[in-house]
Amino acid sequence: DIQMTQSPSSLSASEGDRVTITCQASQDIRNHLNWYQQKPGRAPKLLIYDASTMHTGVPSRFSGSGSGTDFTFTISSLQPEDFATYYCQLYDGVAGLTFGGGTKVEIK
Amino acid sequence: EVQLVESGGGLVQPGGSLRLSCAASGFTFSGYWMTWVRQTPGTGLEWVASINEGGSEKYYLDSVKGRFTISRDNAKSSLFLQLNSLRVADTAVYYCGRGGRTKVSYWGHGALVTVSS
Repeated sequence: DIQMTQSPSSLSASEGDRVTITCQASQDIRNHLNWYQQKPGRAPKLLIYDASTMHTGVPSRFSGSGSGTDFTFTISSLQPEDFATYYCQLYDGVAGLTFGGGTKVEIK
Repeated sequence: EVQLVESGGGLVQPGGSLRLSCAASGFTFSGYWMTWVRQTPGTGLEWVASINEGGSEKYYLDSVKGRFTISRDNAKSSLFLQLNSLRVADTAVYYCGRGGRTKVSYWGHGALVTVSS
């Protein structure tokens, strides 16, 4: 099975900061990587799919990049409503969906 | 508006059974893969099972194979997960999701399953 390493597991940032989260796959997954946001007590929401395509209605301050094994998720200017946990998720067409361990974005 | 509403969660003893349901609305249910994902505080998000549009293809997490069964009723826009031989480790919030072949585009609010004696 393909392993996914997400980092950092948590970070502290201020409103207006640029925030970057990374995910690394154990083998080449092309662009088969998605990003989700989850707020406490709520279901996850899809933000980015296929590494860099924004889901419907997602603000443009969220972006994703990468291919192969290394992927990056960026919030260009952190807003109060962005404090949440973010997950990456890969798919390889064989073994279902694999989620990263999550990154909790907290207020500094 | 896409809506997914889970029901059927609850407290069950180890070895017991439970059936989760997910009522879908706001989209053509029969045109989409559907998925169950679970979440525990200690293990994060974990994909459980997916089913294709017509119900002919089903995929499962290794640890639930032979114990859980995913199914759907396209006429009633409903997704199901039958959970048998439940273990304490199956305790989690179970989310119904639209999609599952590559991504989960929309999620329900979740149903809590607690396995405890």
